[in-house]
Amino acid sequence: EIVLTQSPGTLSLSPGERATLSCRASQSVDSIYLAWYQQKPGQAPRLLIYAASSRATGIPDRFSGSGSGTDFSLTISRLEPEDLAVYYCQQYGSSPWTFGQGTKVETK
Amino acid sequence: EVQLVQSGAEVKKPGESLTISCKGSGYSFTTYWIGWVRQMPGKGLEWMGIIYPGDSDTRYSPSFQGQVTISVDKSITTAYLHWSSLKASDTAIYYCARLQGKVMSRGERYFDYWGQGALVTVSS
Repeated sequence: EIVLTQSPGTLSLSPGERATLSCRASQSVDSIYLAWYQQKPGQAPRLLIYAASSRATGIPDRFSGSGSGTDFSLTISRLEPEDLAVYYCQQYGSSPWTFGQGTKVETK
Repeated sequence: EVQLVQSGAEVKKPGESLTISCKGSGYSFTTYWIGWVRQMPGKGLEWMGIIYPGDSDTRYSPSFQGQVTISVDKSITTAYLHWSSLKASDTAIYYCARLQGKVMSRGERYFDYWGQGALVTVSS
């Protein structure tokens, strides 16, 4: 099973700041099988990024994804108040498909 | 508009059975895999399994194999998640989600649409 480790656990930032979230895999993941989701309190997850760097439909361009192999990242270039949420990475390349434990982005 | 609408919250006792549902609309239901994801209270997301409504091909995560049953009725565009004997540890929110992409061949995959979630509470 591929274990995805996200860091940091919590990111405390002010609006307008840049957020960089990390997702490290225990084995290499083909980048086409790496996705990022946003989950706000009381809501279902929402797809942000697929294939490591492709933005999903309707996602603002302040969200970007990058990485390959075992190291992936999600960047929010300028944090907006509505971006406060938990962010999860997920790999679909090897069964069982696994999620990271999440990074919470909160207001400083 | 693609929609996945799940059944409502359930409160059950340990040992009882339960089936929750996920109705898809606004797309060709039989040509997209549907997955189930668990979120225990205050915890992260766990992939449980997927089913292809076209032929009911089903794949389970080893963690959930034998613990739940995933099924589908394509005539009413609805997928199901079933427990034959609930445990307190099954208390969680369960999401269904549509898979974009293929499972049997190389290519991008991701859950692009999600249901609203169904809270299952198991308590004596």
